[in-house]
Amino acid sequence: TQLLEQSPQFLSIQEGENLTVYCNSSSVFSSLQWYRQEPGEGPVLLVTVVTGGEVKKLKRLTFQFGDARKDSSLHITAAQPGDTGLYLCAGEDTNAGKSTFGDGTTLTVKP
Amino acid sequence: DTAVSQTPKYLVTQMGNDKSIKCEQNLGHDTMYWYKQDSKKFLKIMFSYNNKELIINETVPNRFSPKSPDKAHLNLHINSLELGDSAVYFCASSQELLLAGSYNEQFFGPGTRLTVL
Repeated sequence: TQLLEQSPQFLSIQEGENLTVYCNSSSVFSSLQWYRQEPGEGPVLLVTVVTGGEVKKLKRLTFQFGDARKDSSLHITAAQPGDTGLYLCAGEDTNAGKSTFGDGTTLTVKP
Repeated sequence: DTAVSQTPKYLVTQMGNDKSIKCEQNLGHDTMYWYKQDSKKFLKIMFSYNNKELIINETVPNRFSPKSPDKAHLNLHINSLELGDSAVYFCASSQELLLAGSYNEQFFGPGTRLTVL
């Protein structure tokens, strides 16, 4: 069974601070995605990283895929209250034809 | 326009009852999924269908029976509900199956919160 562990599980910070969320696995994935989920809604895709070592930026969010395609990180610069939510990483395995989701990081950004 | 819709949004029922959750997507996607999110927010795939055909069944108890009348709909029927079935169930869709050399964006519905008493 492929497992994706996210750390930290909970993070509460002040507006303007920086933070990094990690997603780790012992399995290799063909690609990795980050989703954000708000209360009462379904997850929404933020980014897909495909190549080992790839870095993608989405405004204040920076995503990196590990060289070995087993891990990923999400860095948020100058966090805003609107960044509050549950962040989920998901590893795609084309052999199994499915995505495996991480156990999530709940981020709270206080004004 | 809602891309992936689910009904009902909330479902409260007694143990032993049978219930259904409906899902529809208007994105023209070929592949649909059911996920279960537990109280710890862990999201786990239950089923996937491609063009009305079952592709993935993640050892879900056979009390859960998905049905896809057409590729835009994937309903979930649950028999003899148990306390442990309480969770949020998400329907999702993607353009196609996850194949070698590809990656998929999954579009999720708003979820159905099922509470079994």
